[in-house]
Amino acid sequence: GAVVSQHPSWVICKSGTSVKIECRSLDFQATTMFWYRQFPKQSLMLMATSNEGSKATYEQGVEKDKFLINHASLTLSTLTVTSAHPEDSSFYICSPRDRSSYGYTFGSGTRLTVV
Amino acid sequence: SQELEQSPQSLIVQEGKNLTINCTSSKTLYGLYWYKQKYGEGLIFLMMLQKGGEEKSHEKITAKLDEKKQQSSLHITASQPSHAGIYLCGADLGPSGTYKYIFGTGTRLKVLA
Repeated sequence: GAVVSQHPSWVICKSGTSVKIECRSLDFQATTMFWYRQFPKQSLMLMATSNEGSKATYEQGVEKDKFLINHASLTLSTLTVTSAHPEDSSFYICSPRDRSSYGYTFGSGTRLTVV
Repeated sequence: SQELEQSPQSLIVQEGKNLTINCTSSKTLYGLYWYKQKYGEGLIFLMMLQKGGEEKSHEKITAKLDEKKQQSSLHITASQPSHAGIYLCGADLGPSGTYKYIFGTGTRLKVLA
């Protein structure tokens, strides 16, 4: 159980464009979705938490208008990096949860490079 | 502010040596997890600890959670080059999957052959 699919695994985009990252829970319903970001030589930092059907809660310092999170269904959440800039280049990982799942359901991550 | 502190930040050891990585929180944790990772790659789940005083082992890796559930250690015995990577602790800050889940500051391990 607890199969998570995250796409794309890597993406290169031009500065100023938007990029959408998808995260799907394939065999369970994710009532909560966590999105993390990791810069080189740093740990994973929680960006935002979203519950299905409601707006995401963003951590301090994370721009909600830049990182749009949609959690419209119990099996799919998307993170859109709008007007991406080179400083947004990072590794993004999703973590879908249901009420009983614990900390080992993660996507395989998306490496974003903005040129 | 980082709620989960790991130490050391980086570690270089000779192959065959033992080592310990610590993860400390100022709050009581509901679950403590250890992962191994390489930057830009997914997380490899190692172990989960939930009860105060719990200890688990897998192959040459042992993880412990203190009685107060605020500190955990990861011990590697007779380290090998394959143990190299980034070690992260992660923790549930609440009693269910809907509570915030955060990671420690990370420990970068290098094992010299």
